[in-house]
Amino acid sequence: DAGVIQSPRHEVTEMGQEVTLRCKPISGHNSLFWYRQTMMRGLELLIYFNNNVPIDDSGMPEDRFSAKMPNASFSTLKIQPSEPRDSAVYFCASSWSGDQPQHFGDGTRLSIL
Amino acid sequence: QKEVEQNSGPLSVPEGAIASLNCTYSDRGSQSFFWYRQYSGKSPELIMFIYSNGDKEDGRFTAQLNKASQYVSLLIRDSQPSDSATYLCAARSGNTPLVFGKGTRLSVIA
Repeated sequence: DAGVIQSPRHEVTEMGQEVTLRCKPISGHNSLFWYRQTMMRGLELLIYFNNNVPIDDSGMPEDRFSAKMPNASFSTLKIQPSEPRDSAVYFCASSWSGDQPQHFGDGTRLSIL
Repeated sequence: QKEVEQNSGPLSVPEGAIASLNCTYSDRGSQSFFWYRQYSGKSPELIMFIYSNGDKEDGRFTAQLNKASQYVSLLIRDSQPSDSATYLCAARSGNTPLVFGKGTRLSVIA
């Protein structure tokens, strides 16, 4: 049974460039979450979707960040323009709705030079 | 502001000892609690979850919940060097996303 799949695993780009991170949730899960992890701030929730609908994007740091979920099996997190302070590991997670645990993908390690 | 607090560590224990990891949460409405293990450079991996007051055991792991004190703990018996990792505590109220602590780094010394 495939887990949450994220791509790319690593991304290095120059500041000002557009960055797109991708996520495929576990089949059948109807909640999807985007997190950012840094040493200083730990795991921060950026946005989450229920049944493809964004429910809470209050964690999105700035208008430079946007996320979409066009269907139940795909989501993107986009940063445009990127800045060095965006460097972090970005995780996608999914779960059944309700009080079920969240399962994480392997993450995308993003470095903005 | 919902918060989950953990001691950052490192917590060092000798191999074979019991490791005790603790967590407090601020939201009294929290109903479910989760422990994740994260190895360096890897993603968080679910170890256990607990909903009811008391203890829940799974192999070498025991989760303990005290809602009156807003306190959750994870005990690891017979600690092994392979248990060395960061342990993340998370709490959830209803259908909302998990709120994570910053994690406690555990080091098991052979």
